[in-house]
Amino acid sequence: DPKIIQKPKYLVAVTGSEKILICEQYLGHNAMYWYRQSAKKPLEFMFSYSYQKLMDNQTASSRFQPQSSKKNHLDLQITALKPDDSATYFCASSQDPSYYAEQFFGPGTRLTVL
Amino acid sequence: AQSVTQPDARVTVSEGASLQLRCKYSYSATPYLFWYVQYPRQGLQLLLKYYSGDPVVQGVNSFEAEFSKSNSSFHLQKASVHWSDSAVYFCALSIPGYNKLTFGKGTVLLVSP
Repeated sequence: DPKIIQKPKYLVAVTGSEKILICEQYLGHNAMYWYRQSAKKPLEFMFSYSYQKLMDNQTASSRFQPQSSKKNHLDLQITALKPDDSATYFCASSQDPSYYAEQFFGPGTRLTVL
Repeated sequence: AQSVTQPDARVTVSEGASLQLRCKYSYSATPYLFWYVQYPRQGLQLLLKYYSGDPVVQGVNSFEAEFSKSNSSFHLQKASVHWSDSAVYFCALSIPGYNKLTFGKGTVLLVSP
């Protein structure tokens, strides 16, 4: 059974619209993360949450907003979508937020903005 | 700021041959180092990690990596590759005080029959 679920697997959106990417982890972990992988840039860190609190935000734009309704959920809301937002978004989790904790990754959501 | 460089965008080896994927890092101290693998249409899976101790660390599926402080490197190695090892390999680091991973650009490994 998949331990980190990301929904949807593929997503196509139009410029200017808003989408929510879903992430649920069933590993009992206390820290969750979002990363982005695009054709132009390597895998890059976006956010980290620990015990449902924002720990680190490396995203310059306020159009990206993480939402944690439950301990094992960390959704990503993206507003005013742009073609440059096209990427695969990976959710990850770790037992705790320490820098040496192994991070487990979900299968990703591939977003295409037209 | 810390960074990771994987100088080879693509590596092709024959099945059964040995493999080395290169990784160099930039950080003022010794970071925590990781190698991840990404198979097509899947998320990343951890192969191995290093922070201290024996500079040669063993990972899953017969992969190992060698840390060199003098060279600021953490190269991934395998004695004999299999076609199923074809994937994208990422080197990453984390540093104290931050719980994020900094990744290299990745190396695409193609194992030819």
